[in-house]
Amino acid sequence: EIVLTQSPATLSLSPGERATLSCRASQSVSSYLAWYQQKPGQAPRLLIYDASNRATGIPARFSGSGSGTDFTLTISSLEPEDFAVYYCQQRSNWPPEVTFGPGTKVDIK
Amino acid sequence: QVQLVESGGGLVKPGGSLRLSCAASGFTFSDYYMSWIRQAPGKGLEWVSYISSSGSTIYYADSVKGRFTISRDNAKNSLYLQMNSLRAEDTAVYYCARDLYSYGSQGFDYWGQGTLVTVSS
Repeated sequence: EIVLTQSPATLSLSPGERATLSCRASQSVSSYLAWYQQKPGQAPRLLIYDASNRATGIPARFSGSGSGTDFTLTISSLEPEDFAVYYCQQRSNWPPEVTFGPGTKVDIK
Repeated sequence: QVQLVESGGGLVKPGGSLRLSCAASGFTFSDYYMSWIRQAPGKGLEWVSYISSSGSTIYYADSVKGRFTISRDNAKNSLYLQMNSLRAEDTAVYYCARDLYSYGSQGFDYWGQGTLVTVSS
């Protein structure tokens, strides 16, 4: 099973600051990695697919990078609505499974 | 617009069964893989199962293998999850999600609002 590790667990920042979130895979997942944002009481929202492609309607301040085992989600300048929990997710061909990271909470400093 | 609406959640005793449904609209359902993903209260996301667009390919997480069955009816634009031998640890909000794997990409681009399953005596 491929394990995803996210760091930090919590990131305390102010609006306007840059957020850098990390996701590390226990073995290579190529570019098959996605990022999601989840707010309390809501379903997750896809931000980035295939490591670096913004999903439909996602603002340009969100960007993803990386391949292999190390990935980064960057929010260039935090807006008030960006304070939420962020999850990374991968799919492996064998064993055929999908795994999510434990999440990074971005909260207001 | 794309919509996914889950139903069928509720309170069930340990060992009991429940069938979840997900009604899809706003896209060609038969073109897409679909998945069930769950979230226990206050916890992270856990993938449960996925099914290919035709229904011929199905996979499950080890935690539900042998107890849960995913299926779909493309004529009814519906996805299902039959859950048997339920345990307390199956308590979660269950989401259905559209899967970009259909097109060789990695991500779930649309999610339902979720349906809560509570397993308790």
